[in-house]
Amino acid sequence: GAGVSQSPSNKVTEKGKDVELRCDPISGHTALYWYRQSLGQGLEFLIYFQGNSAPDKSGLPSDRFSAERTGGSVSTLTIQRTQQEDSAVYLCASSKPGTGYGYTFGSGTRLTVV
Amino acid sequence: EDQVTQSPEALRLQEGESSSLNCSYTVSGLRGLFWYRQDPGKGPEFLFTLYSAGEEKEKERLKATLTKKESFLHITAPKPEDSATYLCAVQAGMNYGGSQGNLIFGKGTKLSVKP
Repeated sequence: GAGVSQSPSNKVTEKGKDVELRCDPISGHTALYWYRQSLGQGLEFLIYFQGNSAPDKSGLPSDRFSAERTGGSVSTLTIQRTQQEDSAVYLCASSKPGTGYGYTFGSGTRLTVV
Repeated sequence: EDQVTQSPEALRLQEGESSSLNCSYTVSGLRGLFWYRQDPGKGPEFLFTLYSAGEEKEKERLKATLTKKESFLHITAPKPEDSATYLCAVQAGMNYGGSQGNLIFGKGTKLSVKP
């Protein structure tokens, strides 16, 4: 597609439930990133994919968080047993491989854990 | 540790009142410095990439400059539609946590331009 697409745009879930967030990157962008943005905070790096592999998972805050990417395209971020502190906007971005290229971001998924 | 600090946190301007936003950084081998604009409820929108000290880039009322320690985003004669949060990010030359492209973001400057 023309841009990075994320779904759902909003998700309200009960504490303890699992959630899946989806990202469709720009066609041909082999690099894909997940970030988290909490109120008043900067963008927090979660995980990076190059193709289907994830060479950098250093930002995942706990083992409740996992992500996968299939076919070098769509990525899913899964949060198990959600907690209130997981409430944030989850942003996905894609870029061409290598350094020096800016990211194109999606509009994000606003997750609220009640 | 690689770090990006933006100032001020918030800036209120009258329409036509020019000003500058600051982004100071410490990074092990800068590969690129990026400026983004973020509107409420939307993802960041790419504005500029700067690669080396002395480089400048312009787009409409915005001009970005880069030194070895900081970058400035100059806004000339701003309009209300320039109101947004402006984010600065750096890309390190060393593999940051194994990533060859990970951007490290500052917390942003929220700009409000009143008519």
